Amino acid sequence: AQSVTQLDSQVPVFEEAPVELRCNYSSSVSVYLFWYVQYPNQGLQLLLKYLSGSTLVKGINGFEAEFNKSQTSFHLRKPSVHISDTAEYYCDVSPRGGGNKLTFGTGTQLKVEL
Amino acid sequence: GAVVSQHPSRVICKSGTSVKIECRSLDFQATTMFWYRQFPKKSLMLMATSNEGSKATYEQGVEKDKFLINHASLTLSTLTVTSAHPEDSSFYICSARATSGARTEAFFGQGTRLTVV
Repeated sequence: AQSVTQLDSQVPVFEEAPVELRCNYSSSVSVYLFWYVQYPNQGLQLLLKYLSGSTLVKGINGFEAEFNKSQTSFHLRKPSVHISDTAEYYCDVSPRGGGNKLTFGTGTQLKVEL
Repeated sequence: GAVVSQHPSRVICKSGTSVKIECRSLDFQATTMFWYRQFPKKSLMLMATSNEGSKATYEQGVEKDKFLINHASLTLSTLTVTSAHPEDSSFYICSARATSGARTEAFFGQGTRLTVV
């Protein structure tokens, strides 16, 4: 079984400042890792994913995340946020080799202020 | 473009009536789909896992007779809120994971805003 912990429920940040949203997971098997973003009153969309290879993954809208196997983390970062980045962000882990179950964290609300 | 289509996006119904929400995977087959509920300013709450050709698996605390799920084909799952009451008003989202090739991420419907009056 897998589990995901997003330690921060809310992250306020000023525009153009850097941000990091934390995600830690636990799993007895190797996993794929994902970050999704949900804008108000919308479904979720994929920001980025880690399947294999380079541990630094770049996604849409200038976001990137780094897979750290030893720390079982997949933190999301952006060097300079914009007002339009205000949204809810979800970390998700999926077991390699099968299994469809989505294991989301509880979400982190990123609020970008002027 | 969207690969999971959810319909309707908004629905207002009278208390006591039933509402059906459809979730379709457009360009892949989904043996499993998921239904979530989201309260205002809250995280997604998994309600049930919809399995093609078999009964859905409900999370603890979710009334299976209240939230009927049918997954009759590999591309369609439906959620029916029966005898809806104002407390059922919420945002409902479906999702499915594509498991072929590199498309391993989950795809989400646009969500359905249900308001029961």
